[in-house]
Amino acid sequence: QSALTQPPSASGSPGQSVTISCTGTSSDIGAYNYVSWYRQHPGKAPKLMIYEVNKRPSGVPDRFSGSTSGNTASLTVSGLQAEDEADYYCSSYAGSNSVVFGGGTKLTVL
Amino acid sequence: EVQLVESGGALVQPGRSLRLSCAASGFSFDANAMHWVRQAPGKGLEWVSGINWNSGSIGYADSVKGRFTISRDNAKSSLYLQMNSLRAEDTALYYCTRGMGQLVRGRIDYWGQGTLVTVSS
Repeated sequence: QSALTQPPSASGSPGQSVTISCTGTSSDIGAYNYVSWYRQHPGKAPKLMIYEVNKRPSGVPDRFSGSTSGNTASLTVSGLQAEDEADYYCSSYAGSNSVVFGGGTKLTVL
Repeated sequence: EVQLVESGGALVQPGRSLRLSCAASGFSFDANAMHWVRQAPGKGLEWVSGINWNSGSIGYADSVKGRFTISRDNAKSSLYLQMNSLRAEDTALYYCTRGMGQLVRGRIDYWGQGTLVTVSS
């Protein structure tokens, strides 16, 4: 159960697009379509933004999209807005009733 | 409205035990898997444990395996985490969370506000 690897930081200007990567292994991201992405603002509980690789929960704008390629998952945020500045975490099912999170990426809107 | 309310967090000495509880409301508790996720101060999220809808499948992070026990009481719409042999590195905000669907697959769609566990002498 090794943590998924995310870049510590990412940034973009308002209106631009930014992509955050999440690298795992053939035992987690590469094996299951159970990748999720969460956004966490300071002092708040995380919020689900993407589940099952590319599905958006009700209420999440379509500016958020997800994908996978091999053992790497990606979250793309289009049309960056000030409210998107937050920490983003990926997670994946890793088999045998276990789940693993990434270390988190701090997204800064310039 | 889905609500998850944790309780039981406290300051505890290393080696001691603590039991966290989570009261769930606003949904059919026995229709969903449940998880505990923790976050150490200033750090990232760490999955701790998950339990499927009928307690038939349970998983633990390697860091807590053998020390923590997750359980649920569907009649009381409650989730629990028994934590034994606590260590300083267990200090964190512990979130009670709901998984989408009956199985432990991650896909956490609701989070409580967390209960703080501090392990220190």
